[in-house]
Amino acid sequence: DQQVKQNSPSLSVQEGRISILNCDYTNSMFDYFLWYKKYPAEGPTFLISISSIKDKNEDGRFTVFLNKSAKHLSLHIVPSQPGDSAVYFCAALYSGGGADGLTFGKGTHLIIQP
Amino acid sequence: DTEVTQTPKHLVMGMTNKKSLKCEQHMGHRAMYWYKQKAKKPPELMFVYSYEKLSINESVPSRFSPECPNSSLLNLHLHALQPEDSALYLCASSHMGGGLSGNTIYFGEGSWLTVV
Repeated sequence: DQQVKQNSPSLSVQEGRISILNCDYTNSMFDYFLWYKKYPAEGPTFLISISSIKDKNEDGRFTVFLNKSAKHLSLHIVPSQPGDSAVYFCAALYSGGGADGLTFGKGTHLIIQP
Repeated sequence: DTEVTQTPKHLVMGMTNKKSLKCEQHMGHRAMYWYKQKAKKPPELMFVYSYEKLSINESVPSRFSPECPNSSLLNLHLHALQPEDSALYLCASSHMGGGLSGNTIYFGEGSWLTVV
């Protein structure tokens, strides 16, 4: 059973426009959510996170929104740049479980077109 | 500084070889992790060390043997691997104890392993 779902395997966005990546989760115990960016043959790079006590967190061009009632989060990138082309993983954890590691979604391949 | 350093970056080994992957962090993190990632798949958790003690083993075959010599170092010893073990092996670390900064897990660049 997939506890973190990214239903769009790929997304194509024009440079300068907004990219919106979506993520759904099923485990109500998750209370901390992270987005990672990954280039081929490299480790995931931490982008931005949000605690379940918040509904929005912003860092430069990146904003993460959390809708707890819908168990849904999204990552907004605006404006999108060519260097944003990568695979984006949504991940979740339960902070009260000690160091349990992350539960990842399958990733969304974002392609920024010039 | 959010750096996790992994060596080697690339490793080719035969099925009878013994080799090790190494990981180092100097962020004072007391949780360290090994993940395995195959192409077009998300990272899969293998092991978790909390305060230098193995706290999670996700039913990983014994041909993979983790070791945490101290709070900054994490090794993964490899022996008698199979070609299907070829993958990107990722080390990661985090603080313990929750809070926004406490829960963020930082990854290294990974070690590409090819078993021939």
